Amino acid sequence: NAGVTQTPKFQVLKTGQSMTLQCAQDMNHNSMYWYRQDPGMGLRLIYYSASEGTTDKGEVPNGYNVSRLNKREFSLRLESAAPSQTSVYFCASSDWLGATQYFGPGTRLLVL
Amino acid sequence: EDQVTQSPEALRLQEGESSSLNCSYTVSGLRGLFWYRQDPGKGPEFLFTLYSAGEEKEKERLKATLTKKESFLHITAPKPEDSATYLCAVRDDYKLSFGAGTTVTVRA
Repeated sequence: NAGVTQTPKFQVLKTGQSMTLQCAQDMNHNSMYWYRQDPGMGLRLIYYSASEGTTDKGEVPNGYNVSRLNKREFSLRLESAAPSQTSVYFCASSDWLGATQYFGPGTRLLVL
Repeated sequence: EDQVTQSPEALRLQEGESSSLNCSYTVSGLRGLFWYRQDPGKGPEFLFTLYSAGEEKEKERLKATLTKKESFLHITAPKPEDSATYLCAVRDDYKLSFGAGTTVTVRA
């Protein structure tokens, strides 16, 4: 089992460019999450999906959109990247909403 | 609003020198406290979940305890491979709120 996988591992964007971060899990989990991690701050929830077909905003959703493509995949899209979105992005999944979350390896994003 | 504060921010230990990390929290209704380990450049790795005051969990040199207002992660006789950032998170309803972490460096 690969667990939670994320692509790409690293990306550099120019301000205004768009991109999609991909996440997949093979643990048959129902719930999936997107976080960002910035120096000196805890992980902050961007969006989550309680189950296939549902998505909801987290703590810091502005500038992002998500798609729960199927039970395995949950993508995060930046429509017009800004330097403030420079961060490390983590995807996580859990058996149900609120259960123990398991994290992917992260995507490091630099917006110039 | 839920708050999670971890202290100290950084901890430097000599191999074999036991110590404790603190996670204090304010939450309206605690439904779980989670400890994760994060290595540089990696995602957080789950360690423990604690649900009620007085509960303890152990894994190798790590022991987590919980009171009504805080949790401690005790590292007994640490080794260099225990060097990592340790994250604490509390669950209120469905959402996890994370602390900023304690970075532990263990020197041989």
